Amino acid sequence: EVQLVESGGTSVQPGGSLRLSCAASGFTFRESWMNWVRQAPGKGLVWVSFISGDGSRTTYADSVKGRFTISRDNAKNTLYLQMNSLRDEDTAIYYCTRDGDGHFDYWGQGTLVTVSS
Amino acid sequence: DFVLTQSPLSLPVTLGQPASISCRSGQSLVHSDGKTYFNWFQQRPGHSPRRLIYRVSNRDSGVPDRFSGSGSGTDFTLKISKVEAEDVGVYYCMQGTLWPPTFGQGTKVEIK
Repeated sequence: EVQLVESGGTSVQPGGSLRLSCAASGFTFRESWMNWVRQAPGKGLVWVSFISGDGSRTTYADSVKGRFTISRDNAKNTLYLQMNSLRDEDTAIYYCTRDGDGHFDYWGQGTLVTVSS
Repeated sequence: DFVLTQSPLSLPVTLGQPASISCRSGQSLVHSDGKTYFNWFQQRPGHSPRRLIYRVSNRDSGVPDRFSGSGSGTDFTLKISKVEAEDVGVYYCMQGTLWPPTFGQGTKVEIK
C-alpha cells in the first residue's frame, strides 16, 4: 500500500525557515517523481515544486523560486521541502504527492504551515 | 500560468440524480507525445485530495464506476451518474500537459 506521511509543519514568524519531510513507503521511491502541492485555508490547490527520481531535475512555482528547495534522500525514502524567507502568503497545508501514470496519483495527509507574527 | 475554468463553482444535487462538472482550458491540452494529461480530483471535507480520473477518462483504482470523465482538446467533463451522500466535497480539474501544472478553481458539490 502506498503511503506518504508529511511532517514538520508548525507556526513560524515571517522571514523564518522550516523544513518539511515526507516519508514514503509501499512503492519504489527512487524511481518515482515527486511533488509538493499546497492549499491555503479555504482555497484551492496550487503546485509548488517537482523533483525527478534521482534528484537531478527540480522545478518551482514562481511564487517560491529562490526561497524553497526541494530535495530527496532515496536511501531513506524521504522527500523534503526547505522553506526560507517565509511570508504570510505561504500559510497553507502542504501535501506531498507522487507522479504515477500521470500526475499526483497519491497524496499524503498534509502538514500545516502557519506564517504569522 | 495556464488557466483552467470550472463550471459551475457550486453544484447542489439531489441524491440519486446525475451531476456534471465542466472544465475548460484556454489552450489545447494534447501533449506533443499525443497524450492528454488531464485529471480530476475529489476532496471530501477535512480530507486530502484523491485522484479520480487520469488522462481524461481513466478511472483510478477503487473509484466507483458512477464517476466518468470525457472530453478532448480544451473541453472536459466529469459526470457522476447517480450522486451518493459520500460524493459531497470539492472537485478539481488539473492539467499536466503545459508547465507548470495547474488546477481549476474547484466545484463544491452539496446535497440539496
